Formats: sequence, C-alpha cells, structure tokens
Amino acid sequence: AQSVTQLDSHVSVSEGTPVLLRCNYSSSYSPSLFWYVQHPNKGLQLLLKYTSAATLVKGINGFEAEFKKSETSFHLTKPSAHMSDAAEYFCVVSDLASGGYNKLIFGAGTRLAVHP
Amino acid sequence: DTGVSQDPRHKITKRGQNVTFRCDPISEHNRLYWYRQTLGQGPEFLTYFQNEAQLEKSRLLSDRFSAERPKGSFSTLEIQRTEQGDSAMYLCASSTPPGTSGSNEQFFGPGTRLTVL
Repeated sequence: AQSVTQLDSHVSVSEGTPVLLRCNYSSSYSPSLFWYVQHPNKGLQLLLKYTSAATLVKGINGFEAEFKKSETSFHLTKPSAHMSDAAEYFCVVSDLASGGYNKLIFGAGTRLAVHP
Repeated sequence: DTGVSQDPRHKITKRGQNVTFRCDPISEHNRLYWYRQTLGQGPEFLTYFQNEAQLEKSRLLSDRFSAERPKGSFSTLEIQRTEQGDSAMYLCASSTPPGTSGSNEQFFGPGTRLTVL
C-alpha cells in the first residue's frame, strides 16, 4: 500500500532563510507525488507534482522538490522564505485505485512558521 | 470564481441531529471526491464519484453517512445522528475526466467545518 511520512510536524524559519520540508514515501511502483499547501480558512492548493518526468520539479511561489528513488524521498525546498509562506504543507502520494481514479493519500502535514 | 465551492462553510449542530453539506465542482470535471480532515491530520479519503455513479466508499464512511451526486454535477454528503467524533473539516475535490491533461490533479474546495456539540 502507498503511504507518506512527513518527518517534521513543525518547522520554524526566519524570513529570507531556506526552507526544507521533508517527506518519505512508500510505494510498490513508480508513484505520482504532490505537495499541497493549506492556508487558514482556505482550500488546499497544489504547489507542485511529480509524475515520472524530470526528477527536479518546480512549483509555484518559488518552491521545488526533488524525487529521489534511492532514498524514497520527495523533500520540498525554497531558497528564501517569505512571511506569506506560513501555512500547513502536505506531502501526498497518488494511489491508482481499482476504479481507475487517483486516490490521494496525505501525510500528516508540516506546519511552517516564518519569523521576521 | 470558477473553483470548487462548498456550502455551508461552518456548521454547528447538536449530537443526534442530521446535517447535509453541498459541493459544487468545477463545471467540466466529471470526477468528484469527498475527504475528511480532523484536527492535526491530513485529509482522508471518504468516497468517489464518476459522473453520478459512486464508485468507491472508504471504510471510514459508516452507515450514518451517505453521499449522492444525482445529476453528475453537484454532490451532497449527509450525516445522520451526528456524534462528537464526526467533528472535522469535510473537503470536496474534483478532477477532469481520465485521459485528459491534468486528470491526476484534484482541485479542492474550502471545506465545511462541522462541530458537533
């Protein structure tokens, strides 16, 4: 069965410093992986997705993630944090269900705090 | 705004009452999903519709829960005889038909936060 583990429940950084949110996945075949962000009182927004093309994936708002099969990791990074990046981030693996649709399996989330 | 919408955004009810939530997906999306998110956790899959057909239900969806999508457009999620453990954020998402560009991407609504007293 597919699963994801987000290694940090909380990450705190200073504005302008790099961000690293860690995610490991478990999959019996080549997975589709996503990062979603959830701001308070707003819906989940897709940051980026990996679907077996380039291993370095660029997303919105300066975020990127690297798929490393040997380490079963899909860590999210950003070179310089902005106050508006403060939110909950979810690493997600897509499980191709028997009905031919994509069931999303979410990690527990990482809350990112950005300090001035 | 042509995104996924959900109504109501917040619902407070007493234990034992019935509640119903509505989801309006993006208009050209034929796939619709319901998820539940409890405090401090990631969303968990509840059920999936392709057009009007409900094709999968999670074991999380007890007999008190029922979901419909009568005309393949909007969907409703009803919880009967609510319990305090039902308190959560209920999220709806939609996606394009299989084989189309971006069909593995789900677009989420803002959610309905349910509080059962």
